Amino acid sequence: GESVGLHLPTLSVQEGDNSIINCAYSNSASDYFIWYKQESGKGPQFIIDIRSNMDKRQGQRVTVLLNKTVKHLSLQIAATQPGDSAVYFCAEKTLWGAGGTSYGKLTFGQGTILTVHP
Amino acid sequence: GAGVSQSPSNKVTEKGKDVELRCDPISGHTALYWYRQSLGQGLEFLIYFQGNSAPDKSGLPSDRFSAERTGGSVSTLTIQRTQQEDSAVYLCASSQRTGSIEQFFGPGTRLTVL
Repeated sequence: GESVGLHLPTLSVQEGDNSIINCAYSNSASDYFIWYKQESGKGPQFIIDIRSNMDKRQGQRVTVLLNKTVKHLSLQIAATQPGDSAVYFCAEKTLWGAGGTSYGKLTFGQGTILTVHP
Repeated sequence: GAGVSQSPSNKVTEKGKDVELRCDPISGHTALYWYRQSLGQGLEFLIYFQGNSAPDKSGLPSDRFSAERTGGSVSTLTIQRTQQEDSAVYLCASSQRTGSIEQFFGPGTRLTVL
């Protein structure tokens, strides 16, 4: 079956360092891959997404890389700050199925805990 | 503007009781989703609504779980005869439409079944 999973459950970095969070996926039919950030006691917050026909997308301090050959997704955070400490989830979304049905659900990975030390 | 809200924020119940969890999506969002997050785990899809209809109920774990949405707005997730394994954080999200990539999540309801 389809699944989205993470290589590393925890990541500790020093403030100012760059962080890289990895994710493996198995559903090659996914249309989009998305990164969410979840702080303690809050719901997940959208960070950035990348369409399956792209291999790189940049946002503010974040870059997502997609390697479809090895079904690997990564989130790079530049100059990591203590406020970046959270759990990061990758997720995938398949938009269209048989008969033109639009699918709604996101399939999430297990999550990586990022801790940034001042 | 207001985000997705959920109530209650915490719910403690006894095994065998029924519970109702409420979600108020962002105004104008036609798509609404329920997910479940167990301790230290990722989010597990339960059900989603497009308007008042639920095209995908595939994630509901048993027939003790049901959900409805009325007026294309508020949704209620009901768990009957709760079991200890139902203990989790139940998250609701909404998006402008089903095909929207970004889903906006509420803070969740933490359910504890004793």
